[in-house]
Amino acid sequence: KAGVTQTPRYLIKTRGQQVTLSCSPISGHRSVSWYQQTPGQGLQFLFEYFSETQRNKGNFPGRFSGRQFSNSRSEMNVSTLELGDSALYLCASSPQGEYDGYTFGSGTRLTVV
Amino acid sequence: QKEVEQNSGPLSVPEGAIASLNCTYSDRVSQSFFWYRQYSGKSPELIMSIYSNGDKEDGRFTAQLNKASQYVSLLIRDSQPSDSATYLCAVNGRYGGATNKLIFGTGTLLAVQP
Repeated sequence: KAGVTQTPRYLIKTRGQQVTLSCSPISGHRSVSWYQQTPGQGLQFLFEYFSETQRNKGNFPGRFSGRQFSNSRSEMNVSTLELGDSALYLCASSPQGEYDGYTFGSGTRLTVV
Repeated sequence: QKEVEQNSGPLSVPEGAIASLNCTYSDRVSQSFFWYRQYSGKSPELIMSIYSNGDKEDGRFTAQLNKASQYVSLLIRDSQPSDSATYLCAVNGRYGGATNKLIFGTGTLLAVQP
């Protein structure tokens, strides 16, 4: 059974640009969550999608957005990149979300210069 | 008060000893509790889940939950150097009025000395 797949693995972007990250969940998983991980803040919740609907959103500015497609694949977008957006972005999927443990992908390492 | 709190460590234990990792959470109505292990440069890996008060054992790992005290712990018996990693406590609760929001502690770094 394939795991959670995130692409790309690494990205270098310039301040002010925008970026789109992709996540393919485990087959049959309908809940997809996104996290930002930095050394100082740890894992910070960005948002969670279930059946193409955003069910929860963390405390991030509106520059961070996401969506989920009918096949459960998800994308997140960050516009007007700032240096502080440099982080590991992790996607995680679970069957339903509430009582299930999440399985994480390998992450996308974003560096903003 | 942080939503999920852990001692950052490092927690250093000798090989073969029991490692005890602790976590407290703030939302009394939380229902699901998880322990993840994260090796340096890797993504978190789910190792234990617990939903009811008491103990849950899986191999060398035991998760303990006390909802009255809002406390979760992870015991690792017969610790091995390969257990050296950051252990993250995660709680799925009603933060901000919404469920399905898995909140993580900042993790405890465990170092098992050969």
